[in-house]
Amino acid sequence: AQSVTQPDIHITVSEGASLELRCNYSYGATPYLFWYVQSPGQGLQLLLKYFSGDTLVQGIKGFEAEFKRSQSSFNLRKPSVHWSDAAEYFCALREGSGTYKYIFGTGTRLKVLA
Amino acid sequence: SAVISQKPSRDICQRGTSLTIQCQVDSQVTMMFWYRQQPGQSLTLIATANQGSEATYESGFVIDKFPISRPNLTFSTLTVSNMSPEDSSIYLCSVGQTGQGEQFFGPGTRLTVL
Repeated sequence: AQSVTQPDIHITVSEGASLELRCNYSYGATPYLFWYVQSPGQGLQLLLKYFSGDTLVQGIKGFEAEFKRSQSSFNLRKPSVHWSDAAEYFCALREGSGTYKYIFGTGTRLKVLA
Repeated sequence: SAVISQKPSRDICQRGTSLTIQCQVDSQVTMMFWYRQQPGQSLTLIATANQGSEATYESGFVIDKFPISRPNLTFSTLTVSNMSPEDSSIYLCSVGQTGQGEQFFGPGTRLTVL
């Protein structure tokens, strides 16, 4: 069955430090993959997406993610975290063409220390 | 991306009552979805709102409990019927376009049932 796993429930980093949030998926073919961010009391904002092609994708707010088929991973990275990045981050998988339904990971809550 | 609004943004309701949540988009969209996010949890798809026909519900969700309307390509409603405290959640609508992979989310409706 298709699934998305975010192994880290909470992550704390210092402002200015680098960040990597992990996402692993289970899917029989190449999935469509997404990262969303949810600030407190807000809806979800799309950070970036991977459909095909270049495995390193750039997103908004200085985020990037790398698709690694061999590891079934789509980890989110940022070289220098800002205090405003504190939020919940969700990885999501959309099954290939023909369906538009998402499967979400359980989320990683990021805390940024000043 | 589309601008999505939801009404109400939050509500506190009594057990046994019903609440209708509205989702309005500033442009015509092909796909509309309703999600539930229980406290501290990830997002779970309730149903796909189909324009001009009955919604398509996911396993565990039924029309009697979560009736959905979608009279046109810019508007949908979700009703939470006969509410219990277990229905306390954030309810989010999302939209997408056929042929494009990503979904865009509304700000959510925070529902508390006493």
